[in-house]
Amino acid sequence: DGGITQSPKYLFRKEGQNVTLSCEQNLNHDAMYWYRQDPGQGLRLIYYSQIVNDFQKGDIAEGYSVSREKKESFPLTVTSAQKNPTAFYLCASSISREGEQYFGPGTRLTVT
Amino acid sequence: DAKTTQPTSMDCAEGRAANLPCNHSTISGNEYVYWYRQIHSQGPQYIIHGLKNNETNEMASLIITEDRKSSTLILPHATLRDTAVYYCIVRVINSGGYQKVTFGTGTKLQVIP
Repeated sequence: DGGITQSPKYLFRKEGQNVTLSCEQNLNHDAMYWYRQDPGQGLRLIYYSQIVNDFQKGDIAEGYSVSREKKESFPLTVTSAQKNPTAFYLCASSISREGEQYFGPGTRLTVT
Repeated sequence: DAKTTQPTSMDCAEGRAANLPCNHSTISGNEYVYWYRQIHSQGPQYIIHGLKNNETNEMASLIITEDRKSSTLILPHATLRDTAVYYCIVRVINSGGYQKVTFGTGTKLQVIP
């Protein structure tokens, strides 16, 4: 089956630890995205990548980092510098910058 | 960025048509209108998109006004599984050629038995 996978579904970390969220797609999409969603709010763009080895900051990139070494993978690292890391994180991909985005199931990160 | 405004919530009786409005009065000529929906604790699901003409697919219909300042998503026969938050967004491509998509808070549609 083609699609986007995010793992794990639930993640717990202690404050001060870096944590990396996985996002893999086998849709052969060029573009990939990371969003954050807080309770009762819409999605906010963290980072996006249009092609391999290239990525751009979104609206709320501070405290996050990404890499795009492979077309199918776009991991997101939540660093200790992110002040409020507890949230629902969503990864998406699209065939091109104009294409509709397909979302993964999300990872719910809780930092205590 | 062009922004969208949607009602916070709506109810619809099961089996009836659900009509979800969206205002995008500052939309630019080359921006598309996209609709997604998100069922609780899942990733958003693409529904439909359009530029000027009305569009229909197996999930829904999209009606865009002639001045493109508003649109309506129509679910012709709502079922309980259509209960979700529906997002109306417009696409922005900045000078660097990268796409930026802004999701608002959407409309929470409750389908009632």
